[in-house]
Amino acid sequence: RKEVEQDPGPFNVPEGATVAFNCTYSNSASQSFFWYRQDCRKEPKLLMSVYSSGNEDGRFTAQLNRASQYISLLIRDSKLSDSATYLCVVNYNDMRFGAGTRLTVKP
Amino acid sequence: DADVTQTPRNRITKTGKRIMLECSQTKGHDRMYWYRQDPGLGLRLIYYSFDVKDINKGEISDGYSVSRQAQAKFSLSLESAIPNQTALYFCATSDRKGLAGDPNEQFFGPGTRLTVL
Repeated sequence: RKEVEQDPGPFNVPEGATVAFNCTYSNSASQSFFWYRQDCRKEPKLLMSVYSSGNEDGRFTAQLNRASQYISLLIRDSKLSDSATYLCVVNYNDMRFGAGTRLTVKP
Repeated sequence: DADVTQTPRNRITKTGKRIMLECSQTKGHDRMYWYRQDPGLGLRLIYYSFDVKDINKGEISDGYSVSRQAQAKFSLSLESAIPNQTALYFCATSDRKGLAGDPNEQFFGPGTRLTVL
């Protein structure tokens, strides 16, 4: 079983849609959690950290459920520029990356 | 100028050749990492270094070695390249002190696309 699992997608949604990504992790001792964004053929960049209480950054909302070892990312009012691969990342002694979920937002 | 640079950006080589990938950073970060990315597998950690004198194996270190020549430089070597080392390689840095944000946030270079024939 992979340490960090994500639905690979692709998710194809129209502009303005709300889309949610899920991620599960296997190491219950994991300490910190993140969502990174990776554009095609580019390096990953931090989108947002995920806190136990849940956190929001504009149109993006991240949730963490430690009991279920589950992380989510919600994107509201999708824009064309949101098209990318979203990587779930979990930190214990080092960072473990999920394989990513690909999102395409269409006009 | 980019804060984390990698050279070369693309490399095609043959089985058995020795290859070195170089990473430099101007962010002043103490921690540096090497990852490889393969389709469907995500990024996997090869080696990491928390200081000039510190080298640690990651998830998939076999077939690779590293050198931390200075705080700003971290190189990855493939002593005898094989085709299944064909991948996209990323260098990353992070700041233990976290003065500019989350201490675990990693900043990636643009990647090196390596093909071993």
